[in-house]
Amino acid sequence: AQKVTQAQTEISVVEKEDVTLDCVYETRDTTYYLFWYKQPPSGELVFLIRRNSFDEQNEISGRYSWNFQKSTSSFNFTITASQVVDSAVYFCAPSAAGNKLTFGGGTRVLVKP
Amino acid sequence: DTAVSQTPKYLVTQMGNDKSIKCEQNLGHDTMYWYKQDSKKFLKIMFSYNNKELIINETVPNRFSPKSPDKAHLNLHINSLELGDSAVYFCASSQGAGNNEKLFFGSGTQLSVL
Repeated sequence: AQKVTQAQTEISVVEKEDVTLDCVYETRDTTYYLFWYKQPPSGELVFLIRRNSFDEQNEISGRYSWNFQKSTSSFNFTITASQVVDSAVYFCAPSAAGNKLTFGGGTRVLVKP
Repeated sequence: DTAVSQTPKYLVTQMGNDKSIKCEQNLGHDTMYWYKQDSKKFLKIMFSYNNKELIINETVPNRFSPKSPDKAHLNLHINSLELGDSAVYFCASSQGAGNNEKLFFGSGTQLSVL
């Protein structure tokens, strides 16, 4: 079974600061995908990024970037130059067969103006 | 047009009642899911259907019965509701059941059992 730990329950920053969210996971699968989803105050879950387990390149997409380290089973996510609209709960989730996502407990990000 | 729509948005009911939550997706996806989010925000998969066939069935009480009349619909029926069933239930869909597929979620149904 997969397990996900998001050790930070809440992070508060001032607008324009960078925010890094930690995610550590456990899986027995040799190949898998890792996801980050965002849940804004409106409640709907929104896909952000996806990473496969066989490519450890760090990537940047707009203000989002992620750092995947297979050796430490970590998949950290950074928001650069945070904005108030980034305030949300962020979930890390590895996927297993059947596209079964195991979600972490989430990290609440509060961006203050 | 809402991609994944679920109704109702709020459901308040008494213990012991039977209720249903409906979900429809207009994305042409093959795979649909039900997730439960508790009051501490923990999200857990309940069921998954691919082309109307059940492919994931987590350890969910058999009071919960999903039904997929066609690929675009996955409804959730709950019998004999209990206090512990109070949660937000999310429907989702994906193109297929591969583990690289991103999920599109509905806006959730907040179920309160009194």
